[in-house]
Amino acid sequence: RKEVEQDPGPFNVPEGATVAFNCTYSNSASQSFFWYRQDCRKEPKLLMSVYSSGNEDGRFTAQLNRASQYISLLIRDSKLSDSATYLCVVNSGYSTLTFGKGTMLLVSP
Amino acid sequence: DAGVIQSPRHEVTEMGQEVTLRCKPISGHNSLFWYRQTMMRGLELLIYFNNNVPIDDSGMPEDRFSAKMPNASFSTLKIQPSEPRDSAVYFCASSSPNRGNNQPQHFGDGTRLSIL
Repeated sequence: RKEVEQDPGPFNVPEGATVAFNCTYSNSASQSFFWYRQDCRKEPKLLMSVYSSGNEDGRFTAQLNRASQYISLLIRDSKLSDSATYLCVVNSGYSTLTFGKGTMLLVSP
Repeated sequence: DAGVIQSPRHEVTEMGQEVTLRCKPISGHNSLFWYRQTMMRGLELLIYFNNNVPIDDSGMPEDRFSAKMPNASFSTLKIQPSEPRDSAVYFCASSSPNRGNNQPQHFGDGTRLSIL
């Protein structure tokens, strides 16, 4: 089983739609979880951390299910500018992170 | 504040040549990471340093790759000799001192390396 697995997509959605991405991780000892965003030919950038109780940042909501080793990201009211690849990230050691290969989102007018 | 600074942004060279990639982490960050990203394999950790000391280099593909961090504000990743399969985007990232293990990493713009 891969350490961090994501559906590569692409997810094609119209503007204003709600879209959800899921991610599973294999290391039950992981304690830190993040979603990063990567635009085409750019570096990954931190979108948000994921907390045990779930957390929201504007149109973005992240959830963590430790029992199922599952993380999700929900984007409401999609904007064209949300088009990017979303990387699920899990800590794999005290300082190290393991990145999923990403889920591509394409938001169309 | 300046982010992580990498140079060069692009490098095209012939196989067999030595390639040196450079990174300046964010001031005050004590952990530095080198990654390689390809379409096939995604983002792979090559090596990371904590307080200038290499902690884990298990991701370094082979002896042709080496990395150094002579001080808190500078690191290099060297490939000698380079091969076409080394073509990828190489990212450097840094993170702030650990207060537990919840520190996200901040990435530089990357170096796009093409080995002909």
